[in-house]
Amino acid sequence: GENVEQHPSTLSVQEGDSAVIKCTYSDSASNYFPWYKQELGKRPQLIIDIRSNVGEKKDQRIAVTLNKTAKHFSLHITETQPEDSAVYFCAAPNSGYALNFGKGTSLLVTP
Amino acid sequence: DVKVTQSSRYLVKRTGEKVFLECVQDMDHENMFWYRQDPGLGLRLIYFSYDVKMKEKGDIPEGYSVSREKKERFSLILESASTNQTSMYLCASSLIGGGTDTQYFGPGTRLTVL
Repeated sequence: GENVEQHPSTLSVQEGDSAVIKCTYSDSASNYFPWYKQELGKRPQLIIDIRSNVGEKKDQRIAVTLNKTAKHFSLHITETQPEDSAVYFCAAPNSGYALNFGKGTSLLVTP
Repeated sequence: DVKVTQSSRYLVKRTGEKVFLECVQDMDHENMFWYRQDPGLGLRLIYFSYDVKMKEKGDIPEGYSVSREKKERFSLILESASTNQTSMYLCASSLIGGGTDTQYFGPGTRLTVL
């Protein structure tokens, strides 16, 4: 299946700073790249996704960029807040029916 | 709102026991998934189903089986539980292909096998 690499595994930033998480994928035919956020003790929830026909998508303080040539996509969080602290997972399709997830990035935003 | 529920939040079983984990979704979704989540390993796909009575192996199906007799319910079965199956198990569903659509997760079942 699709191989999804995610970096870094942990990230600590000060409140107000930006955070960037990067993922690479192997299948050049992949066309859908979601990001999920999992707060401590909660279920993963989709926060943003991007399809291969666009290079960037923004939703308030979060944005995702996609570089199809290099086969990588990134999550950008600006003006981080303590409630952004969570584990973030990127994913890419491993078939039309399922996703392969990265191993996750634990983001800590310190006041 | 999509609601995905799992039968237990916490479960403790003995080695060799047969274990059933149940997942129910209320949004008429075609696709359902079972993942296990372990620290440092992310979410790994065990099995998925794209229709009633249809199932496909994911990346780590060994030691597991599944059943989907009704559209809303997807069960994960550990035929003979082993200690290395101690983990958090997450169920998810999606309306259309899970590789191109939002997956909605259940709250998880934390299984401990003694």
